[in-house]
Amino acid sequence: ETGVTQTPRHLVMGMTNKKSLKCEQHLGHNAMYWYKQSAKKPLELMFVYSLEERVENNSVPSRFSPECPNSSHLFLHLHTLQPEDSALYLCASSQDPPSGRGYNEQFFGPGTRLTVL
Amino acid sequence: QKEVEQDPGPLSVPEGAIVSLNCTYSNSAFQYFMWYRQYSRKGPELLMYTYSSGNKEDGRFTAQVDKSSKYISLFIRDSQPSDSATYLCAMSPIKAAGNKLTFGGGTRVLVKP
Repeated sequence: ETGVTQTPRHLVMGMTNKKSLKCEQHLGHNAMYWYKQSAKKPLELMFVYSLEERVENNSVPSRFSPECPNSSHLFLHLHTLQPEDSALYLCASSQDPPSGRGYNEQFFGPGTRLTVL
Repeated sequence: QKEVEQDPGPLSVPEGAIVSLNCTYSNSAFQYFMWYRQYSRKGPELLMYTYSSGNKEDGRFTAQVDKSSKYISLFIRDSQPSDSATYLCAMSPIKAAGNKLTFGGGTRVLVKP
C-alpha cells in the first residue's frame, strides 16, 4: 500500500447505526486530518491530529468521534447520524513541521462516500 | 461571506484552449496559496503552490497571486481531456502543519476533445 488509504470506500448506514471509518497513511507523516466534502461546498476541516494529539476540532457534532491510536492510523467513529451527514469523508496527512518547501502539503486519501438513510 | 470564493462552474472548453481559474479571498493573513486537482472518485492532489505574491510556472500550468487584490489564478495551457477535473484553491496563513488549509468550493472543468 502506498500514500493514504481509506476504508470502506462506500458506506450506507441507518440513523441508529454505529460505524467507523478507517484511514492509514504510509508516508511517514505525523499529522492527520479528517475533512467533510459535501456537494457544492468547500472542504470542511473536522479534526486535526498532530503527533497523535488532537489540535483542532472545528465545532463538529459529538456524533462524530475521532481516534488516533498512532501516527499512521486515524479513525472516525459514527453514531446516530443524520441524513445531512451524507457526504464524502476525506482523510489527509502531512509532516509537522513541514520540511524543505515550508508549506503544508497535505496528501489525501480517496475518501469514503457515506450515505445516511 | 465565505473566506474563499470560487466559481463552481462547470467550465467547458475545447481541447487545446487555455483554462482560466480563479479564487478571491478575504483574509489578508494568507501567505501560502495552493491549487489542488480532484478527479471523480479520488481525493484532491496538489498541483502547485505559491508563497506570497507572484507567478509560478510548471509545464502547462501557471499560478498567479495578487495579494493586493486578494485574487489568485491558475492557467492551464494547451488543455487536454485528461485535465477534466475539479480544481480547488486552498490557502494557509503560516507554514506550520497543524494549521488548517482553507479551501474554495472548487471549479469543475470539462475539456472536450
